[in-house]
Amino acid sequence: GAGVSQSPSNKVTEKGKDVELRCDPISGHTALYWYRQSLGQGLEFLIYFQGNSAPDKSGLPSDRFSAERTGGSVSTLTIQRTQQEDSAVYLCASSPDRYSGNTIYFGEGSWLTVV
Amino acid sequence: QKEVEQNSGPLSVPEGAIASLNCTYSDRVSQSFFWYRQYSGKSPELIMSIYSNGDKEDGRFTAQLNKASQYVSLLIRDSQPSDSATYLCAVSARQLTFGSGTQLTVLP
Repeated sequence: GAGVSQSPSNKVTEKGKDVELRCDPISGHTALYWYRQSLGQGLEFLIYFQGNSAPDKSGLPSDRFSAERTGGSVSTLTIQRTQQEDSAVYLCASSPDRYSGNTIYFGEGSWLTVV
Repeated sequence: QKEVEQNSGPLSVPEGAIASLNCTYSDRVSQSFFWYRQYSGKSPELIMSIYSNGDKEDGRFTAQLNKASQYVSLLIRDSQPSDSATYLCAVSARQLTFGSGTQLTVLP
């Protein structure tokens, strides 16, 4: 597709369940970011993938969060044993290379609600 | 100290006025600086980027960067109601880090 695609767009899950959020970046983009945005808050960095390098996981809030990127393209963010405080919009973004903040493109986000 | 800090707002200005948004950052190796606009319920969109000290103008928007003071700002001249949004400052160092945003309301 032409843009960053995220799925599901909305997810309601029960506390304690696992969820998977998917991101399909723009073709050819080597950099992929996951951010979390709680209601009325800024973007909280979660994890960053750049090419074949080891991902920067410094933003993951707990060991319940993990992410992988298969084949340098599609990425999946997994949240295990979800908690109510995990409710947020999870935004994925991609860019052609590491320092291209001016060519970073965001998906529409996955809105997660934990009940 | 947060890596990127913004005046929290909310900020209200009358239509036609100048809106001033401020941001400070802590990582001196930061090289690239950005302002994003985010409408409610939407994803952020880039409106300005700046890489060197001084001012950069684009239409009604002016970004100002002072690396010595670790300060970047955004001025919006002739503010319009359509400028009402949350403005996010972002700084690129190890990765792209965002501030918490400043909510701007332009009153007709």
